[in-house]
Parts: sequence; C-alpha cells; structure tokens
Amino acid sequence: DGGITQSPKYLFRKEGQNVTLSCEQNLNHDAMYWYRQDPGQGLRLIYYSQIVNDFQKGDIAEGYSVSREKKESFPLTVTSAQKNPTAFYLCASGTGVDTQYFGPGTRLTVL
Amino acid sequence: AQSVTQLDSQVPVFEEAPVELRCNYSSSVSVYLFWYVQYPNQGLQLLLKYLSGSTLVKGINGFEAEFNKSQTSFHLRKPSVHISDTAEYFCAVKGGSQGNLIFGKGTKLSVKP
Repeated sequence: DGGITQSPKYLFRKEGQNVTLSCEQNLNHDAMYWYRQDPGQGLRLIYYSQIVNDFQKGDIAEGYSVSREKKESFPLTVTSAQKNPTAFYLCASGTGVDTQYFGPGTRLTVL
Repeated sequence: AQSVTQLDSQVPVFEEAPVELRCNYSSSVSVYLFWYVQYPNQGLQLLLKYLSGSTLVKGINGFEAEFNKSQTSFHLRKPSVHISDTAEYFCAVKGGSQGNLIFGKGTKLSVKP
C-alpha cells in the first residue's frame, strides 16, 4: 500500500532539546518537502529535496536541518535554535513536476 | 513572486446548500493550481488540480473549480454540501513545473444541519 508515513504523531520537547521527525515514502518520488503549519497561517516551506544527497532551504529554514541519504527518507531535525517550534509539521513528496502528496503530520509541542 | 489569497477565513453554510470558496492568485508566469482539503489533525488530501486544458476541473467528493485567467481566480464550488465536508480547504499555486507550491492561509468550511 503506497503512501507517506510520518512518525511520531505527537512529540513533546523540552526547551533546549533537538528532536527529529521522521518521514518515509514508498511512492518512488524523487522530491520531498517539509512544511510547517500554524493556525491561520497556511503552510510554509521549511526545506525541500529534489534528489538524493541534495536539499534546499525553503522560506523558514532557520532552526531546522534535514538530510536526504535515501530516496525514501527525509528526516527533519528541529534544533534548539528554533525559538518557536510548537506547530504541526507536514511532510510531502512528489515527482517535482506538479502534485504533492502529504503525510498525516506530526504535532510538536514544546514544554 | 507568486502569492495566493483566500478571501474568506471561515465560511458557515447549511447542509445541502451550495458553497463557493474563493481563491485569487498572482503570478508572472503560467501556473498550476490546486485545492487541498484538511480534516482535523490530518494531512492534506488533493481535491483537484488545474495544469492545462479545460478551465473547469472536477475533483473528488463532488467538488469542482474553474480557472479564470483574466481574473486570476480559481474558485472552488460544490452544489450541495454535506456535514462531512466540514474541514479546512487550501488553495495553492505553483509557477509552472519548476516552482514550489505556495499556499493560501486556508478557509474553514463549517456545514451545519
């Protein structure tokens, strides 16, 4: 069954900690994306990757890091440098040409 | 640079009534346009998309949208809504095949019995 999985669904972080959000896809898509969603703000692009071992910053990359060592996986690390990390994080994948398909999301809360 | 404006942040409507969710965009290049739906605490699901061709696009769940180039709009419509259509709807634009998706801020559709 093809799709995008994100884990965990809920994540709690203490201030000063780094946390890593997982995103895996078995759709054989080259491109993968991370978005941040805040209430009333729509989705904002954090990082994207068009191909393995390459990635680019999106509009709000400060305080985040990513890696793309495998085609199927695009983990996002929220570092302690991100001052307001509480949000809903969405991963997506696509061919890079048109449609993006989204995972179920991870809700991160800073305690 | 592209941008997307969803003119209504909230739209309340009664069950079985028609609904239109408005979306305007700005872009200096030809665009691809999308509507996504998000149910609470879930990811986004593609409703429909316009890439080229017919300006009237039909999607899932009885929704359709019309691309109007002169008015730079891509409004979403459904002739008769159900309670289950209660969700948040996002319009998005992509500047051709190479650009990134730019999202509007969303419209919350609330269908009342």
